[in-house]
Amino acid sequence: DGGITQSPKYLFRKEGQNVTLSCEQNLNHDAMYWYRQDPGQGLRLIYYSQIVNDFQKGDIAEGYSVSREKKESFPLTVTSAQKNPTAFYLCASSKKTSPFQAYGYTFGSGTRLTVV
Amino acid sequence: DAKTTQPPSMDCAEGRAANLPCNHSTISGNEYVYWYRQIHSQGPQYIIHGLKNNETNEMASLIITEDRKSSTLILPHATLRDTAVYYCIVSDYKLSFGAGTTVTVRA
Repeated sequence: DGGITQSPKYLFRKEGQNVTLSCEQNLNHDAMYWYRQDPGQGLRLIYYSQIVNDFQKGDIAEGYSVSREKKESFPLTVTSAQKNPTAFYLCASSKKTSPFQAYGYTFGSGTRLTVV
Repeated sequence: DAKTTQPPSMDCAEGRAANLPCNHSTISGNEYVYWYRQIHSQGPQYIIHGLKNNETNEMASLIITEDRKSSTLILPHATLRDTAVYYCIVSDYKLSFGAGTTVTVRA
């Protein structure tokens, strides 16, 4: 079955360490996204990519970095510059559609990052 | 992206219809209305979307007012498994999720 795989499900890191979250999709989707969710709040867009080797900052990109070397993969690195990295991170993908359609996002099951 | 306003929470009896309102008074002509829901600690799930006309699928119905400044998501026969946070989103491309409405379906 096609879908998005995020790994690991839970991740613990020491303060000051960089950490990379994995996101892989086999849906043949062109666009991929990273969101952050804090307890009791909605999702906030970190980065998104519409095509391989290209990506754009979302609303809260500071302290994060991404790469898109392959269509299937969009890893997110949480750097030591991110002041409050503990959160639930969700990856999503969608078909490349016209600018006026953004339905059919598929989300992964998320990675819960805890920095101690 | 246009902003949306949703009530923070609502309760619904199992088997009854759940009507979830959303205001989007600053929506522009090329922006769609999308509804997603998120069950606790999972990724959001697409429900339905529309531009001007009312829409229905196997999950829900979407009613958009003629001036497009508000909409209502209808879950026709709510079940306990419909307990979730429901997000109303107005966007022309990227999805931005606000706080949504926490819907609790009670037996």
